[in-house]
Amino acid sequence: SYVLTQAPSLSVAPGETATITCDGNNFGSQSVHWYQQKPGQAPVLVVQDDSDRPSRIPERFSGSKSGNTATLTIRRVEDGDEADYYCQVWESSTLHQVFGGGTKLTVL
Amino acid sequence: EEQLVESGGGLVKPGGSLRLSCAASGFTFSSYSMNWVRQAPGKGLEWVSSISSKSSYIYYADSVKGRFTISRDDAKNSLILQMNSLRTEDMAVYYCTRNAGIKIDGYGMDVWGQGTTVTVSS
Repeated sequence: SYVLTQAPSLSVAPGETATITCDGNNFGSQSVHWYQQKPGQAPVLVVQDDSDRPSRIPERFSGSKSGNTATLTIRRVEDGDEADYYCQVWESSTLHQVFGGGTKLTVL
Repeated sequence: EEQLVESGGGLVKPGGSLRLSCAASGFTFSSYSMNWVRQAPGKGLEWVSSISSKSSYIYYADSVKGRFTISRDDAKNSLILQMNSLRTEDMAVYYCTRNAGIKIDGYGMDVWGQGTTVTVSS
């Protein structure tokens, strides 16, 4: 089955930049989406189609993709950014939606 | 306001059945593909099933195929997940989600419900 690999955890100091990566093996033809999930809440879409940010999401959040790695970058990290972050793609060969395992972002 | 509200979760014995519903409001439900996504306690997100606009395409995760059935009632703005032969590993919060477009592929899930909890235990 298709796997998206994310580091389990990342710690960043306030004001610094968080870089969360997602590794796949067919990103050239796939759109990557990113979700933020805070404890006890439903996930929220923060980046879609690799780099498109929904209007309600702060400009500090951005997405990119290169080769087999997609990246969610959070600039000027704030305490409120502490959450789990998941990447997701539609895998066309298996006709499955696939989520990465998630990265827990801790703000020091 | 675009909103999804799930219901129907609860406690069920292994081998039992449960029917989850998702009521949509604030948008033209029939124009969007929809999904069910679940999250087991302390675990990550797991896709369960997707249905396109007009129910033209339906897909299931391997873990639920043959046991779960997704359907939609556009007249009632409602998404359904019929779950049969439930197992302990099906225990999770089940989220109803909207794809940001008419097709299943290529879109992020831009609207999520608050989730409904399914507990499978004897």
